[in-house]
Amino acid sequence: RKEVEQDPGPFNVPEGATVAFNCTYSNSASQSFFWYRQDCRKEPKLLMSVYSSGNEDGRFTAQLNRASQYISLLIRDSKLSDSATYLCVVNKGGGSYIPTFGRGTSLIVHP
Amino acid sequence: DAGITQSPRHKVTETGTPVTLRCHQTENHRYMYWYRQDPGHGLRLIHYSYGVKDTDKGEVSDGYSVSRSKTEDFLLTLESATSSQTSVYFCAISSTGDEQYFGPGTRLTVT
Repeated sequence: RKEVEQDPGPFNVPEGATVAFNCTYSNSASQSFFWYRQDCRKEPKLLMSVYSSGNEDGRFTAQLNRASQYISLLIRDSKLSDSATYLCVVNKGGGSYIPTFGRGTSLIVHP
Repeated sequence: DAGITQSPRHKVTETGTPVTLRCHQTENHRYMYWYRQDPGHGLRLIHYSYGVKDTDKGEVSDGYSVSRSKTEDFLLTLESATSSQTSVYFCAISSTGDEQYFGPGTRLTVT
């Protein structure tokens, strides 16, 4: 099993839709979790951290489920500009400073 | 945006030639990373640094070396470039080893 797994998609949704991605991780000792966004031919950019209590930033909500070892990203009221690849990142903690990246989930928002 | 630059941004070189990519930061972050990104593989860690003159290998380090003689610069060297090293190279920095901030990338083509 890969350390961090994501459905590559693409998720093809109309504007205004709500879409959710999940990301599973294999190391139960993982401590830190993040979502990054990557536009085509650009660098990844930090979207949001994922806290145990969940995290919301505008239309974006991230959740952590430790029992089932997954994190989720919910995007409400999708915009055309949300089209991108979303990368899940997990850090096992315990002094580790090498995050593990998933391969990403592609989102296409169409008119 | 974090102050991180990469140079050159694009390079075409011939097989067997040495190539050095530079990552420069103005954030005084402790950790610096070199990744390569290829279709179907996602981001893969080449080398990383946890301080000046402190570096270690990532998962795809063969054929690459690095140096960090000062906090702000992290150099990636391909001693003898091969066609399999054609890729997009991203540098990243982090103050804690968790959240990372990426440079704009270098597109390297080895002919």
